[in-house]
Amino acid sequence: EAGVAQSPRYKIIEKRQSVAFWCNPISGHATLYWYQQILGQGPKLLIQFQNNGVVDDSQLPKDRFSAERLKGVDSTLKIQPAKLEDSAVYLCASSLKIYRFNYGYTFGSGTRLTVV
Amino acid sequence: GENVEQHPSTLSVQEGDSAVIKCTYSDSASNYFPWYKQELGKGPQLIIDIRSNVGEKKDQRIAVTLNKTAKHFSLHITETQPEDSAVYFCAASIGGNTPLVFGKGTRLSVIA
Repeated sequence: EAGVAQSPRYKIIEKRQSVAFWCNPISGHATLYWYQQILGQGPKLLIQFQNNGVVDDSQLPKDRFSAERLKGVDSTLKIQPAKLEDSAVYLCASSLKIYRFNYGYTFGSGTRLTVV
Repeated sequence: GENVEQHPSTLSVQEGDSAVIKCTYSDSASNYFPWYKQELGKGPQLIIDIRSNVGEKKDQRIAVTLNKTAKHFSLHITETQPEDSAVYFCAASIGGNTPLVFGKGTRLSVIA
């Protein structure tokens, strides 16, 4: 099966600019996650979607970050305006929900963002 | 919420030796504990997972053990090979719609 697709792979922007990342999950995976991974740390959840609804966005800095998942498939994460501390790898993952449990997160290769 | 601590942060072993990475979690309701391997420039890849109704699980050279009383779980890699060199992450979840919480990672270097 095809994996989780993310684009772009790399992005360099100046602070205060805006940027958008795209994710296409594995077909049939109802749950989609955006994680932020700062260098040397583990992934930290930004937002979780179940189909096209938001399940958890408690750690999303909503003054500058936004995300949407149109038609319950592709998702876009946007940062506007970017700050230096937003430099990180942004990982998208999807999982299959069976009964009430989310199984086997599959991650994309991520987008490495550098804010200068 | 859940908090996952992972040790050590770096680990170097000789090829053929065993490697052990340990994690502790804070929420006693957690019942799903996966381990991920992340190679340079790639996303984390699931290598093994364990649920709270099981104490140990093996898959070839990889094994995971879980001690629910002590709230810790460990990854064991035997007969290490250079291709095992990567960053390994543990994670925990209480299930349902609750997302995985990750540890900070362990950089494993296998020296040939």
